[in-house]
Amino acid sequence: DAKTTQPNSMESNEEEPVHLPCNHSTISGTDYIHWYRQLPSQGPEYVIHGLTSNVNNRMASLAIAEDRKSSTLILHRATLRDAAVYYCILRSNFGNEKLTFGTGTRLTIIP
Amino acid sequence: DTGVSQDPRHKITKRGQNVTFRCDPISEHNRLYWYRQTLGQGPEFLTYFQNEAQLEKSRLLSDRFSAERPKGSFSTLEIQRTEQGDSAMYLCASSPLQGRNEKLFFGSGTQLSVL
Repeated sequence: DAKTTQPNSMESNEEEPVHLPCNHSTISGTDYIHWYRQLPSQGPEYVIHGLTSNVNNRMASLAIAEDRKSSTLILHRATLRDAAVYYCILRSNFGNEKLTFGTGTRLTIIP
Repeated sequence: DTGVSQDPRHKITKRGQNVTFRCDPISEHNRLYWYRQTLGQGPEFLTYFQNEAQLEKSRLLSDRFSAERPKGSFSTLEIQRTEQGDSAMYLCASSPLQGRNEKLFFGSGTQLSVL
C-alpha cells in the first residue's frame, strides 16, 4: 500500500476552521483517500473519502490536490468534540480489503 | 443498528494464560476485521473475514493467535499462552459487501493487559 505522511500533532482554537494536511506522493490511480478519526478510548470512526474531486459531508470536507499527491481534511468549525487522532489512509480499489493506518495527526482543540 | 459490539471491554490476565475475545458485527455486514493497537500507534491489521472465510492474515498473527467466524456472524479472537507483548487494544470492525471502498465500522475494543 502507498504511504501517507501527516504531521504528528496540530492545535486549533475552538470554533475556528482546521486544515489537516496529508501527503501521498506515491498514490496510484486506483487509490482512494480515506480519513478516519479516533476519539479517546474509542475505535476509529469514518470521516470521509474521495478519489479525485473534492468531497463534502456533514462532518468535514476533503480537498484533493489536482495531482492527487496531497489532500487536506477541513473541519469547518472545530469543537472540543473534534479533539482526536486523524488518520489519512490510501485504499486501493483493487486487491487488499484492509485499511493500513499510520500514526496520524493528534488534533488538540483549545477552548 | 446497534454498532459493532466487543466483549469484554477490559481483560487482565497472567502471562501464559489463554484469552478469548468476542466481536459482534453490525447485522448483515459480511466483512469482519481484527486490528491491534498499542499506545501511541495506529491500529495494525491482524486478519479479515468475508462471511465465514478467513481471507487474509497478517504476519503479526503468530501461531498463538487464532480467529474464527463460524457462522459468518460473530467472531472470536483467541490468544494462547499470552505474553506481556500481547498487551494492547484489540479492535474489531465490520463493513458491508457492496464495494471495495465501503467504510469500516469499528467497535470500542477490548483492552488486554498481560501481567
